[in-house]
Amino acid sequence: DAKTTQPTSMDCAEGRAANLPCNHSTISGNEYVYWYRQIHSQGPQYIIHGLKNNETNEMASLIITEDRKSSTLILPHATLRDTAVYYCIESNTGNQFYFGTGTSLTVIP
Amino acid sequence: KAGVTQTPRYLIKTRGQQVTLSCSPISGHRSVSWYQQTPGQGLQFLFEYFSETQRNKGNFPGRFSGRQFSNSRSEMNVSTLELGDSALYLCASSLAGAETQYFGPGTRLLVL
Repeated sequence: DAKTTQPTSMDCAEGRAANLPCNHSTISGNEYVYWYRQIHSQGPQYIIHGLKNNETNEMASLIITEDRKSSTLILPHATLRDTAVYYCIESNTGNQFYFGTGTSLTVIP
Repeated sequence: KAGVTQTPRYLIKTRGQQVTLSCSPISGHRSVSWYQQTPGQGLQFLFEYFSETQRNKGNFPGRFSGRQFSNSRSEMNVSTLELGDSALYLCASSLAGAETQYFGPGTRLLVL
């Protein structure tokens, strides 16, 4: 079963930063936090992952709290194409994900 | 590098039939995982194959099975189809299973 909790939905104005929170209060020491997104029933797209340090790539930034019980995915300048369902997953294997219901992000023009 | 490919993309079957779906992982990836996505249950893990062996299995009945070939391509089979098997079936590949998974576009199965 999924062990993360996320808000059901969020809105963000186009061009602004989208901050998507995730609670993973039972995460164990060897579990990573992964973020994926799914656009309109396509296959989920990998965004970013991290263990305890903050991470940044060309798509997003991942901020993980010091106690690792929560994290925030930041899309720095949201566009309409970022409208999707965003999933936060904790996993120590990378090959067996338990998805929750995710956050449906709507970017508003 | 080509991504994960799945065939067919769409499929219509009737109850009681069986179906086989195919997944070709990213070149060099040896782990393939399968997921089922339905509106009611969301994305659920089916099983994972590595080096032609099933390594992990989710909570699905025995009607759902799979296999992996020596070239890492994988197939999943669903026998005695039920209406509730209508879903998007996704496969994902990773190098050896402990790294990031990359998903294919999915096969949409409709059972009538």
